[in-house]
Amino acid sequence: GAVVSQHPSRVICKSGTSVKIECRSLDFQATTMFWYRQFPKQSLMLMATSNEGSKATYEQGVEKDKFLINHASLTLSTLTVTSAHPEDSSFYICSARPIAAPGSSYNSPLHFGNGTRLTVT
Amino acid sequence: GENVEQHPSTLSVQEGDSAVIKCTYSDSASNYFPWYKQELGKGPQLIIDIRSNVGEKKDQRIAVTLNKTAKHFSLHITETQPEDSAVYFCAASNLNSGYALNFGKGTSLLVTP
Repeated sequence: GAVVSQHPSRVICKSGTSVKIECRSLDFQATTMFWYRQFPKQSLMLMATSNEGSKATYEQGVEKDKFLINHASLTLSTLTVTSAHPEDSSFYICSARPIAAPGSSYNSPLHFGNGTRLTVT
Repeated sequence: GENVEQHPSTLSVQEGDSAVIKCTYSDSASNYFPWYKQELGKGPQLIIDIRSNVGEKKDQRIAVTLNKTAKHFSLHITETQPEDSAVYFCAASNLNSGYALNFGKGTSLLVTP
């Protein structure tokens, strides 16, 4: 259980174009999804927190107009990289947290998709 | 905000030996500490986690210990196998960050036959 599907797994685009990445929780619902970015041989850096039905919360230094996030349902969040440039080339990974059981004082574990390798030429 | 330090950055062990990876965190409000395994070109996979109300948790060959006073936690892998070779990340989270995970820099583990 707790499968997160991310699509596409790889995408190559030309500079100036936009790319949309989809993140779906397949067997659970998630009110919150997180988008991370990972450069080669580095750790995962949180870009933004996506909340179903409301605006995303962006980390400091992440341009909200460049990285558009939409969380339209409890199982789908999308990240659109607008006007992509070569420096946007990276590994983008989404994650989702199952809705906690009623009365639980802790959040459920976070599950990650398999990432999207974006290359901007 | 939360700062997670992870050591070592690389670790090489022989098959059958144990591997230990250590992490420290800075925010005393952090109460959830997962460990993830990431293979090349894939997303991180949760392998074990521990909450602040316990000091140790074990799942077959994998164990995690937590010392809240010292603000550090460790991953222990016993009887290592070549398929354990991967990058391992520790993380910490708390309510203040909306329970988003703050990751350590990762440990590249190599298990040689």
